[in-house]
Amino acid sequence: GAGVSQTPSNKVTEKGKYVELRCDPISGHTALYWYRQSLGQGPEFLIYFQGTGAADDSGLPNDRFFAVRPEGSVSTLKIQRTERGDSAVYLCASSLTGPFVPTEAFFGQGTRLTVV
Amino acid sequence: KQEVTQIPAALSVPEGENLVLNCSFTDSAIYNLQWFRQDPGKGLTSLLLIQSSQREQTSGRLNASLDKSSGRSTLYIAASQPGDSATYLCAVTLTQGGSEKLVFGKGTKLTVNP
Repeated sequence: GAGVSQTPSNKVTEKGKYVELRCDPISGHTALYWYRQSLGQGPEFLIYFQGTGAADDSGLPNDRFFAVRPEGSVSTLKIQRTERGDSAVYLCASSLTGPFVPTEAFFGQGTRLTVV
Repeated sequence: KQEVTQIPAALSVPEGENLVLNCSFTDSAIYNLQWFRQDPGKGLTSLLLIQSSQREQTSGRLNASLDKSSGRSTLYIAASQPGDSATYLCAVTLTQGGSEKLVFGKGTKLTVNP
């Protein structure tokens, strides 16, 4: 597709369960980001990938959160032992990077996670 | 720590009015600044990107300015329309130690009344 695709669009899970959220970036974009947005707030940074490696995971709130991008394209955000406080919209973005390329970020539609 | 503030938090205007949304940031060491639009329950749509060396960018009825030294950006919307109703988010891009990240404000919720 032409844009960033995130699946599922909605996910309801029980407290304590494990969830995976998927992001398909724009083809050719080497940079990929995950953000989390709570109601009435701006998105908050979670993790940044450059290619296959996590260049910055300083935004992950604790060790229950983990993300991978094994082939430098699709990324999966994994949350273990979910808690009600994890409920939020999880946004994925991708961009081209390079010294002469404006680093404009393009976002997906998000996954709304609800932990009950 | 970089902080981004947007004022006002909400704005309601009649159709046809010109309006300005404000964004301020505490650390001028930014790579660029980006304005986004977010419709309810949706993701973010990029509106304008201003590089740190630029002063402004224009797209249609939108004009964004950047004053990096004072830590301010404005988004000017001309001849507003009901379809412009959405939340507008400002974000600065930080680059440090091989990392890139956007730091967002909380947004301005705009309502344009017919």
